[in-house]
Amino acid sequence: SQQGEEDPQALSIQEGENATMNCSYKTSINNLQWYRQNSGRGLVHLILIRSNEREKHSGRLRVTLDTSKKSSSLLITASRAADTASYFCATKTGGSYIPTFGRGTSLIVHP
Amino acid sequence: EAQVTQNPRYLITVTGKKLTVTCSQNMNHEYMSWYRQDPGLGLRQIYYSMNVEVTDKGDVPEGYKVSRKEKRNFPLILESPSPNQTSLYFCASRRSTGTGHGEQFFGPGTRLTVL
Repeated sequence: SQQGEEDPQALSIQEGENATMNCSYKTSINNLQWYRQNSGRGLVHLILIRSNEREKHSGRLRVTLDTSKKSSSLLITASRAADTASYFCATKTGGSYIPTFGRGTSLIVHP
Repeated sequence: EAQVTQNPRYLITVTGKKLTVTCSQNMNHEYMSWYRQDPGLGLRQIYYSMNVEVTDKGDVPEGYKVSRKEKRNFPLILESPSPNQTSLYFCASRRSTGTGHGEQFFGPGTRLTVL
């Protein structure tokens, strides 16, 4: 069962612009994580936000979590061509051992 | 270097010929898992393991087997592969944190084609 669903499915922007992608989920979570995947490669962990946190930053990344709306957003500021990748949210509920992934957002940053 | 390794990276095989994809991690992680990734479907859990000799089914376990005889290894076995198992497979591992807050480390992926 896929808990998180990313939106949009695809996003195309110019270098220097900000990129925002969203994740909605259905049941209460323990934490929510964002991962990046370069084409055909393994996923790389970006950031984890716990259910009692509302916002976290890491470099050019900003993640927000709204548990009342069961949604999260990932903002990449001042995007670069190297940010071109697919981005996945993964949700972990209290009763599960490993997180469940969404279908991902494909981001293309044009130089 | 902390890592998850998978072998082989690429495999083309025929229907019905048993195969094993190996996964190994050097971080002493308790949790290990297998996912398959298909276009438009994202990553789906196949099996996971909480520790040695403890495994459980994920969302799409049919046609797969796993074993966890050693902490570092978690092989994925396809006893009789079929074309619908053509996919990109990822192994991942995670430390047991007690709080449940821990990132997963992914292997580089195994691209399997079953003819």
